[in-house]
Amino acid sequence: EIVMTQSPATLSVSPGERATLSCRASQYIGFNFAWYQQKPGQPPRLLIFAASTRATGVPVRFSGSGSGTEFSLTITGLQSEDFATYYCQQYDNWPRTFGQGTRVEI
Amino acid sequence: EVQLVQSGAEVKKPGESLKISCKGSGDTFTTYWIGWVRQMPGKGLEWLGIIYPGDSDTRYSPSFQGRVTISADKSISTAYLQWSSLKASDTAMYYCARQGMRGSFDIWGQGTMVTVSS
Repeated sequence: EIVMTQSPATLSVSPGERATLSCRASQYIGFNFAWYQQKPGQPPRLLIFAASTRATGVPVRFSGSGSGTEFSLTITGLQSEDFATYYCQQYDNWPRTFGQGTRVEI
Repeated sequence: EVQLVQSGAEVKKPGESLKISCKGSGDTFTTYWIGWVRQMPGKGLEWLGIIYPGDSDTRYSPSFQGRVTISADKSISTAYLQWSSLKASDTAMYYCARQGMRGSFDIWGQGTMVTVSS
């Protein structure tokens, strides 16, 4: 099973600032990688797939990068609605696996 | 608009059985895999397993193999997650989600809260 490790666990930022979240896979997964956003009381929402492709309707301030085993999500100009928990996921191998999440807080 | 609509919240006792559902629209159940994700209270997302309703090909996480059963009825565009004997540790929100063509979960159900308590 591929282990996904996210860092940091919590990220404290101010509105308007830039936030960078990281995720590492325990083995090579190419570009088979996604980021999700989850707000309290809501299901997760797909933000990024194929490591760097924004899903439909996702603002351009969200950008993903990386390949292989190291990935990152950058949010430029944080807005109030971006404060949430973010999860990474690999879909290269069965079973699919998620990271433990990064909480972005004010 | 493609949607996944899950069955309502459940409160059960330890040892009881349960089957929750996830109903889709459009061609979702003939073309896509449907997965299940667990989220225990205050915790992260855990991938349970997935099914391709077209031929019932099913994959499980080793962590959940033997504890849950995933099934589907493509004729009514519905996937199921079931337990034969619930434990208190099964208390969680359960989401179904569509695995899109590129492999990520692109559409999610609203979630079904399962509470197991004596």
